[in-house]
Amino acid sequence: NAGVTQTPKFQVLKTGQSMTLQCAQDMNHEYMSWYRQDPGMGLRLIHYSVGAGITDQGEVPNGYNVSRSTTEDFPLRLLSAAPSQTSVYFCASSTLRGTEAFFGQGTRLTVV
Amino acid sequence: AQTVTQSQPEMSVQEAETVTLSCTYDTSENNYYLFWYKQPPSRQMILVIRQEAYKQQNATENRFSVNFQKAAKSFSLKISDSQLGDTAMYFCAFMKQQGAQKLVFGQGTRLTINP
Repeated sequence: NAGVTQTPKFQVLKTGQSMTLQCAQDMNHEYMSWYRQDPGMGLRLIHYSVGAGITDQGEVPNGYNVSRSTTEDFPLRLLSAAPSQTSVYFCASSTLRGTEAFFGQGTRLTVV
Repeated sequence: AQTVTQSQPEMSVQEAETVTLSCTYDTSENNYYLFWYKQPPSRQMILVIRQEAYKQQNATENRFSVNFQKAAKSFSLKISDSQLGDTAMYFCAFMKQQGAQKLVFGQGTRLTINP
């Protein structure tokens, strides 16, 4: 049972490049979400999904796109990376009625 | 909107001592959950303890316990008999009981346990 798997673990991008952070879970969880972690600010919610085909914005959605075509996968897309998007990104999943969020190992993204 | 505040950016104690991490929050909700997460250097987010707001009894998990004061909107974490493996970043988090499970995190407290 792998839980929540994020790839890649580390990435360096140039300003203006695009990329997709992958997130997959094998627990059949309906709810999935993306957070970014910045020093002194904790984790902040970017986007979330309550099921396949349903997504919604969190606290800091600008510059990021998501889609949820399957229950298992919830990719996060950066269309044109900016230095302000340098951060550690976490994907999390849980059941719809659950209170425990399962987190991936995180992706450290640096935009130069 | 809900906010969570951790006013101690860093703390340091000796091994075997007891340490308390502070957390306050602001919400107009009556039913919600509060959490403490641990993030060791490995970066993994680990759930330490959970408290349901409707429960008056403070949650306890082995050496970890909370002091939940609903009226004061305070939720502190006490670590007893601290161990070197407790060295980590600790985050306090809030989640409404109704609706999507959106977690609102505090800024974090970096805890160092010294030998």
